[in-house]
Amino acid sequence: NAGVTQTPKFRVLKTGQSMTLLCAQDMNHEYMYWYRQDPGMGLRLIHYSVGEGTTAKGEVPDGYNVSRLKKQNFLLGLESAAPSQTSVYFCASTRSKTGLTYEQYFGPGTRLTVT
Amino acid sequence: AQTVTQSQPEMSVQEAETVTLSCTYDTSENNYYLFWYKQPPSRQMILVIRQEAYKQQNATENRFSVNFQKAAKSFSLKISDSQLGDTAMYFCAFMKSNAGNMLTFGGGTRLMVKP
Repeated sequence: NAGVTQTPKFRVLKTGQSMTLLCAQDMNHEYMYWYRQDPGMGLRLIHYSVGEGTTAKGEVPDGYNVSRLKKQNFLLGLESAAPSQTSVYFCASTRSKTGLTYEQYFGPGTRLTVT
Repeated sequence: AQTVTQSQPEMSVQEAETVTLSCTYDTSENNYYLFWYKQPPSRQMILVIRQEAYKQQNATENRFSVNFQKAAKSFSLKISDSQLGDTAMYFCAFMKSNAGNMLTFGGGTRLMVKP
């Protein structure tokens, strides 16, 4: 199992450009998440998905869009990048079963710089 | 909304000694889970230990143990016999039960283990 993978690992964008970050998991997990981590801070939830075709907003959703067309993939889009979106982005996934809570498995992160 | 506070931005410990990292949280929920994650310089998020709020017994994982005080909303991590490989950022995280398994993170504590 590759676990959770993220593409790309690094990216530099100019203000106003757009891009999509891809997260893939091979563990058949139902739930997937996108977090951002700013320097010296903990992770903050951007968007999440509890199943194929469903998405929901997290704590800091502004400026981002997501899609979950396939169970194993969760895409994070930036339509018009801003310097404030310079951050490290983490994807995570977890199983879901009624009445139980499982740990999240994280990808290796994507370092995004917006100039 | 839940909040998680880690009041120690940085700590250091001599190799083979014991160190305790503090975490407090604020919630009105009764059923929840608490986690400690380790983030070494590689950036990978690694689960260290988890605690279910309904369990009175403190969780332990080899050299790692927690002191869970539900009434005080405190969840500290004790690392015994510290090793150089324990050098990392440590994040405390809160998960509400049966609510999408989303994590709320504290700001982190940077731990340096000195030889």
